[in-house]
Amino acid sequence: AQSVTQLDSHVSVSEGTPVLLRCNYSSSYSPSLFWYVQHPNKGLQLLLKYTSAATLVKGINGFEAEFKKSETSFHLTKPSAHMSDAAEYFCVVSDRGGNKLVFGAGTILRVKS
Amino acid sequence: EPEVTQTPSHQVTQMGQEVILRCVPISNHLYFYWYRQILGQKVEFLVSFYNNEISEKSEIFDDQFSVERPDGSNFTLKIRSTKLEDSAMYFCASGVTYEQYFGPGTRLTVT
Repeated sequence: AQSVTQLDSHVSVSEGTPVLLRCNYSSSYSPSLFWYVQHPNKGLQLLLKYTSAATLVKGINGFEAEFKKSETSFHLTKPSAHMSDAAEYFCVVSDRGGNKLVFGAGTILRVKS
Repeated sequence: EPEVTQTPSHQVTQMGQEVILRCVPISNHLYFYWYRQILGQKVEFLVSFYNNEISEKSEIFDDQFSVERPDGSNFTLKIRSTKLEDSAMYFCASGVTYEQYFGPGTRLTVT
């Protein structure tokens, strides 16, 4: 069965510095991978997705993720953090049919001024 | 921009009572889903719904749960006899293909 592991439960960065949120996946087939963000009292918002096209995926709000099959990783990055990026981020893998999403445990990003 | 909406935002119910959680998916979407997140745990898949029938369900989705699309716009999750362990945030999602768009959730508290 497919799964994702988010390697950090909390990440703290200073405003203007790079963000790196780490995710490893496990899948018996070529996966579809996603990053979602959840701001307090808001729903889960799709940041970006990988579905076997380009390995470097650009999302909203300046976020990117790179699919690395050899490392089974799909880390989320942003060159310069903003205060508004403070939220919880979920790495997600889809089952083969795209019918069911499997979530990681989430990483809470804190941005310090 | 179209959004998935859910009502109510918070529902408190007594153990053994029936609850219905309501969702309005994005209008041109064909696939509908329910997920839940128990406090401190991962978001878990409950059920997917397509073409007016369940396409997949998890082991959590037992006979106490049911889903319905009673009209062209609403998608509901019913829990027939709530248990304390049903307390969670319930998310509705809708989509066209691999992308799923989530609502803000309904926090269900069973006392």
